[in-house]
Amino acid sequence: GAVVSQHPSRVICKSGTSVKIECRSLDFQATTMFWYRQFPKQSLMLMATSNEGSKATYEQGVEKDKFLINHASLTLSTLTVTSAHPEDSSFYICSARDNKGDSFTGELFFGEGSRLTVL
Amino acid sequence: KNQVEQSPQSLIILEGKNCTLQCNYTVSPFSNLRWYKQDTGRGPVSLTIMTFSENTKSNGRYTATLDADTKQSSLHITASQLSDSASYICVVSGGGSYIPTFGRGTSLIVHP
Repeated sequence: GAVVSQHPSRVICKSGTSVKIECRSLDFQATTMFWYRQFPKQSLMLMATSNEGSKATYEQGVEKDKFLINHASLTLSTLTVTSAHPEDSSFYICSARDNKGDSFTGELFFGEGSRLTVL
Repeated sequence: KNQVEQSPQSLIILEGKNCTLQCNYTVSPFSNLRWYKQDTGRGPVSLTIMTFSENTKSNGRYTATLDADTKQSSLHITASQLSDSASYICVVSGGGSYIPTFGRGTSLIVHP
């Protein structure tokens, strides 16, 4: 079946540094990808919608200058957490919508998530 | 406003027992409804996807139902196993937005 690869699965960094997380659709093309944040025992919180070739759309309260999203190709979106702080520590998950299908019917596949710990 | 409500918030059952999780939505117009299973520390995995014309769909021990008139869906798990312990998320697409609407999930714990 379709696979979304997310890398790295775990990352530990120091405060003030930047961390990049990659989300790749391995056997399908995805014009639209989504980035979520999840705190322990809580639901997925949508951070932003990433569209290939255009600027990402951020949800209210999410700082676009802190969470940089680049969707340079139909199979890759990246999330960069800039100047990371301990409160940015969280589980970040991406999902990719298969282009086979429209904006509503396209199958949604999730990555395995990236655990970020900022010291 | 597009909303998806799941119940119960959490559920504890004994291994081998059946259980049913509920999902009510207000998303309109409706396109499709998906159930996902999310193990702790992992990404969600699709269990079923249902469109307007489908009333029931099975995937092994998982059976999803959909009543588009009352805007309700259920996920029935038969003969639960320890590995069924996870969060189950209901996701509805439609409502004039290309962003699917997520429920908060039901946390299921299966005890031996």
